[in-house]
Amino acid sequence: EPEVTQTPSHQVTQMGQEVILRCVPISNHLYFYWYRQILGQKVEFLVSFYNNEISEKSEIFDDQFSVERPDGSNFTLKIRSTKLEDSAMYFCATRVYEQYFGPGTRLTVT
Amino acid sequence: KNEVEQSPQNLTAQEGEFITINCSYSVGISALHWLQQHPGGGIVSLFMLSSGKKKHGRLIATINIQEKHSSLHITASHPRDSAVYICAVPYSGGGADGLTFGKGTHLIIQP
Repeated sequence: EPEVTQTPSHQVTQMGQEVILRCVPISNHLYFYWYRQILGQKVEFLVSFYNNEISEKSEIFDDQFSVERPDGSNFTLKIRSTKLEDSAMYFCATRVYEQYFGPGTRLTVT
Repeated sequence: KNEVEQSPQNLTAQEGEFITINCSYSVGISALHWLQQHPGGGIVSLFMLSSGKKKHGRLIATINIQEKHSSLHITASHPRDSAVYICAVPYSGGGADGLTFGKGTHLIIQP
């Protein structure tokens, strides 16, 4: 069965550094999403992406965040200058109808 | 922005019991999602429904659009059903499709 993949599975970075989280969507999916889950808390919506542009974003998705689909396959989330509070599990999801979630990238900011 | 409330937050039951988890939301929606999150963190979509009822195996999901309420039922519960069950709706209601999630119901089924 096709699945969404994410790399890396775990990323440790120092505060102030830039990180890029990568997602490979299921091949015929056209809608892409990023969510995050801080440890012990609920999953939170960050951004949705369709037709090479952001279609919706939450108040969490500020100027420190950006998304792109650089090569037509990968879908990336960039955090320009990481903060301690960015430590979370980041999930990519893609869909035709229902959303399929990747396994997540655990980001630890020290 | 849509708000989601789930109940109960925690539920422990014996194997074989009938389980009900409830979800209510604040803004009219196009569809509601039920998802399952395993202890390792992975999230799996169980149902996406916009009206009436859907059934998949021992899982049943219902929705009442007028009352902004949905329920997830598990019949003949089994220890392997132990997980977090999450209700999610469109973040801003209507046709938008980024999801806002409930806090989840931690379900434990004891043998």
